[in-house]
Parts: sequence; structure tokens; C-alpha cells
Amino acid sequence: QSVLTQPPSVSGAPGQRVTISCTGNSSNIGAGYDVHWYQQLPGTAPKLLIYGNNNRPSGVPDRFSVSKSGTSASLAITGLQGDDEADYYCQSYDTSLSAYVFGTGTKVSVL
Amino acid sequence: QVQLVQSGAEVKKPGASVKVSCKASGYTFTTYAIHWVRQAPGQRLEWMGWIVAGNGNTKYSQKFQGRVSITRDTSAKTVYMDLSSLRFEDTAVYYCARGVAVAGMDSFDPWGQGTLVTVSS
Repeated sequence: QSVLTQPPSVSGAPGQRVTISCTGNSSNIGAGYDVHWYQQLPGTAPKLLIYGNNNRPSGVPDRFSVSKSGTSASLAITGLQGDDEADYYCQSYDTSLSAYVFGTGTKVSVL
Repeated sequence: QVQLVQSGAEVKKPGASVKVSCKASGYTFTTYAIHWVRQAPGQRLEWMGWIVAGNGNTKYSQKFQGRVSITRDTSAKTVYMDLSSLRFEDTAVYYCARGVAVAGMDSFDPWGQGTLVTVSS
């Protein structure tokens, strides 16, 4: 099954900026479908973090932002904090599979 | 507030079936779709399928076609996910999530708390 590819892990010191890439292909991100991002804290259900073009649900700080270009998207976290330690997943739709697809997931660690 | 509450953990033998429920509250049930996503231990999220709560239309991932069935009871505001012919590799946490349409596709918000299904002999 086609997946969206993310780096397994990224890390940074408190206050730093980290970015997480999400690479797809012409059937999903490259086809123009939006990319949504989820945060999953240890032992909990995923939570919608950002949807579409930098739209944040209530309560999500603007330290989180996204960008998209071609067949890839990325999530940036600025001012890294300890409670940002979590797994992050991107999500889009794949027209060749007629299915929703998730990224492989990225673990963010705060040094 | 919008909430999805799932049924409790299940232990099943290989070859058996499991039925997980997802009860919605805090919004008009028939206005949104409900998706099912699973996560095997230490693995990524995997989309299984969805149901349009208003008319009952369903769409399943090719991977689960023939083994999964998603239904709903509008009077109970509850969606059910049936997975049959269970295998050891179906051991996972199963989540339901409300589909919120954004630019022609759904984002998933909120999610249920998850239901652990363990397949063990």
C-alpha cells in the first residue's frame, strides 16, 4: 500500500526549531490533496494538530506550522517544548488507491 | 463537546470475528462520516474504511475488503466495525474518528479513545 514517508525521528533542544517532512507522490500530495497533521502523545489517541493550509483547531499554538510543495509537505515546530515530545503523522488521500493514507510517523524528542 | 466513546478491549482467537462500537455525542450524528483507523503495536496508523452516517454508504480499504464491515445505528448514534477471519497480525488498537471535510477530503477530528483487539490462541 502506498504510504507517505516521514523520517523516523527528529530531535532538538528546548526552544529550537525542528521540521518533519512528509513525502508522497503524484497520486496523493502531488495530485493536489490537502495534508493534515496529527500529534499522538504516548499511550493516547491521535489528535488533529493542523488541517489544510495552516488551520489549527482551538488550543493548538501557532508554534506549529505547515508548508506544502509538489509531492511533499512539512511540519515545523518552533520554540520546542518538553510536552511536544510525541509521534507526529501526516495524512492525505490517494486517488490511485481511493483510500486515505498516513505517513510512517516521526518521533520528536526534546533533548 | 464532541466525543466518540468506544467499546472495551477484546481478546479473540484466530479465525474469529470482532465487533467494535463507537458512540457519538455532542453533534448531529448524521451530518458527518465516521472513519476507522488501526495501529498495530509500534506501527503507523492504517486507514480501514468509513461510513457516511447520514445514508449508510461505505468505502473500505482494499487491504480489508471482504473482511471488514462498517454499519451504523442512527437512533443510537453508534457506528460498528466488524472484522472477520482474525489473524495474529490483526492485533492492534482500533480507533474511530469523525471525518470533517476540508477541501474535498476528510480530516479526522476527534478520535475515540481506542479499543485494543488482541488475537491470541
